[in-house]
Amino acid sequence: DAGVIQSPRHEVTEMGQEVTLRCKPISGHNSLFWYRQTMMRGLELLIYFNNNVPIDDSGMPEDRFSAKMPNASFSTLKIQPSEPRDSAVYFCASSLGTVARETQYFGPGTRLLVL
Amino acid sequence: AQTVTQSQPEMSVQEAETVTLSCTYDTSESDYYLFWYKQPPSRQMILVIRQEAYKQQNATENRFSVNFQKAAKSFSLKISDSQLGDAAMYFCAYRSAIYQLIWGAGTKLIIKP
Repeated sequence: DAGVIQSPRHEVTEMGQEVTLRCKPISGHNSLFWYRQTMMRGLELLIYFNNNVPIDDSGMPEDRFSAKMPNASFSTLKIQPSEPRDSAVYFCASSLGTVARETQYFGPGTRLLVL
Repeated sequence: AQTVTQSQPEMSVQEAETVTLSCTYDTSESDYYLFWYKQPPSRQMILVIRQEAYKQQNATENRFSVNFQKAAKSFSLKISDSQLGDAAMYFCAYRSAIYQLIWGAGTKLIIKP
């Protein structure tokens, strides 16, 4: 089992640039979650999908952030334009479903630095 | 609103000894799940152990066990025979039918050789 795969692992960009983070969930999992982790705010749920459909995007900070899941094996989180305050570690996680008993398995994260 | 509190920002323990990390939570729900995740310096979030609220028996996974006190809303993690590889941030998390994972602030565990 390859686990959740995220790319890139590290990203350094300049303010104003577009950033795209990618995630491949565990095969067979139908729920996917995007989190952001910062020292100040800890772990925050940005958005989650069930069967490729966004269920709750209330955690997306603003219109600069967008997420898509075109199929069961791929999702993107895009920031356009990026700002220094977007610097964080972004995690993707997947689970068999959204019900409480299903454990979420995390990818290795993407460390984003916006200069 | 549901909250998860980890009151110990940092803990240290001698290698091979036992350490307990505290977690309390606030909820009005009766059916929920609790988790401990470990985050080593690599930043990977790794599931350590989970507990179903309807189960009275405390969960165990090898050297890791929990003390789940539902009435007190307490969910502590005990690590026995601490090893250097246990050094990490440990996060307690709550999940229910209504809420996705709600996280504590984390406890940094230091293992002294």
